[in-house]
Amino acid sequence: DVKVTQSSRYLVKRTGEKVFLECVQDMDHENMFWYRQDPGLGLRLIYFSYDVKMKEKGDIPEGYSVSREKKERFSLILESASTNQTSMYLCASSLMGLAFFGQGTRLTVV
Amino acid sequence: GIQVEQSPPDLILQEGANSTLRCNFSDSVNNLQWFHQNPWGQLINLFYIPSGTKQNGRLSATTVATERYSLLYISSSQTTDSGVYFCAVEPSNQFYFGTGTSLTVIP
Repeated sequence: DVKVTQSSRYLVKRTGEKVFLECVQDMDHENMFWYRQDPGLGLRLIYFSYDVKMKEKGDIPEGYSVSREKKERFSLILESASTNQTSMYLCASSLMGLAFFGQGTRLTVV
Repeated sequence: GIQVEQSPPDLILQEGANSTLRCNFSDSVNNLQWFHQNPWGQLINLFYIPSGTKQNGRLSATTVATERYSLLYISSSQTTDSGVYFCAVEPSNQFYFGTGTSLTVIP
C-alpha cells in the first residue's frame, strides 16, 4: 500500500513564526502536491513538484514556499505565519494519474 | 483550468437508502478518481476510474468520458458512509477537484 505521511495531525503556531509542514511518501512517486482546504472553497493547490529540486506554483502560492531535496520528501514552509493561513493542509503524491493523500495537518495560527 | 462540478452539494439519507452522486467536468481528462474524506480529514481513495464501471462492495462508479461525467453509487448506506465525497480529474499531471458532496447518513 502507498503511504503518504504528514509530520503532524494538529499544529498551533504563533503569528510571525516560521512553520515547516513535512510530507513523506514511500512509493517512489515523481509527483508531489500541497493543498489547503477551507470551508466553502474546496481544495486549492499551493505548490507541486515533478522531481527533486523542482517546484511549480499552484493557484495560491503567496506566503508559502516549498523544498524538495529528496524524492520522497516535500516540505511546505510558511515563512511568517499569519492568521489567514489557519487551515487544513493536505499533501499528496501521484504516479500515472493516481493520487494518494496524507492524513492532513490542521494548522491554527494564533 | 478545467471546471469540475459535483451534485448535489448536500445529501441526507436514512440508513439503508441508496444514493447517486454526480461529477461533471468541462474538458477531456486522462484520469478521474473518487475520494471519501473521513471525519478526521483524510482523503481516502475509493475509485480510480478514467472510464467504464467498477464496483467495490456497496459502492460502484461509472465514468462516461465522452460525455464528461462520472457517477458514484452508494447502496444500502451506513452511518460510516457519512463525510464528504470528492471527485478529482487529471488532464495532465495536475488534479482538479470538485467542491464535494457532503453526505450525512442518519440511523
